[in-house]
Amino acid sequence: GQQLNQSPQSMFIQEGEDVSMNCTSSSIFNTWLWYKQEPGEGPVLLIALYKAGELTSNGRLTAQFGITRKDSFLNISASIPSDVGIYFCAGHQWFGNEKLTFGTGTRLTIIP
Amino acid sequence: DAMVIQNPRYQVTQFGKPVTLSCSQTLNHNVMYWYQQKSSQAPKLLFHYYDKDFNNEADTPDNFQSRRPNTSFCFLDIRSPGLGDAAMYLCATSFTRDNTDTQYFGPGTRLTVL
Repeated sequence: GQQLNQSPQSMFIQEGEDVSMNCTSSSIFNTWLWYKQEPGEGPVLLIALYKAGELTSNGRLTAQFGITRKDSFLNISASIPSDVGIYFCAGHQWFGNEKLTFGTGTRLTIIP
Repeated sequence: DAMVIQNPRYQVTQFGKPVTLSCSQTLNHNVMYWYQQKSSQAPKLLFHYYDKDFNNEADTPDNFQSRRPNTSFCFLDIRSPGLGDAAMYLCATSFTRDNTDTQYFGPGTRLTVL
């Protein structure tokens, strides 16, 4: 099935630094979602994007829906220890069904 | 304010011993999903219910079954768990199947198979 390529696979950054991760696809997506998953918990929705070019913020988080509909990025500014976790992009394909396709995940580690 | 609730959070079973995982929701959503997530991997959809309509993914093993007795509850039955079925099982819900509808996840049940 369709894959979402997420990069980087893992990040080790110092507290206070900004973080950037992205997700790309060879197919067009109708929606892009960004989830965060902490150890032993389910994914929690951070930001949902529905229109090409849309730029949405949620506190220190900012995400954009790429103009081509084939990519999205997530930025985290001024990282703090509680940002640790795995970040997944996910999306619904343009003419697809209800199935949500997930990216491969970016594991974020914060160094104090 | 729990919206998607999964019980138990941790389940240990023996090889071949049937196990049932439970999911309930207070959102009154029409769609309920079951995902399997293995360590360091993305969630993998097993099946979903749209109201009472069951939709199985083509690559979901027959060993996995599901029941949805009412809007609020959905169960995942693993008939004969193997060692390879050890994973986190995530339940999710959405209001409709419209691809602009967000899926909300429960906290998951971690299954260990001995």
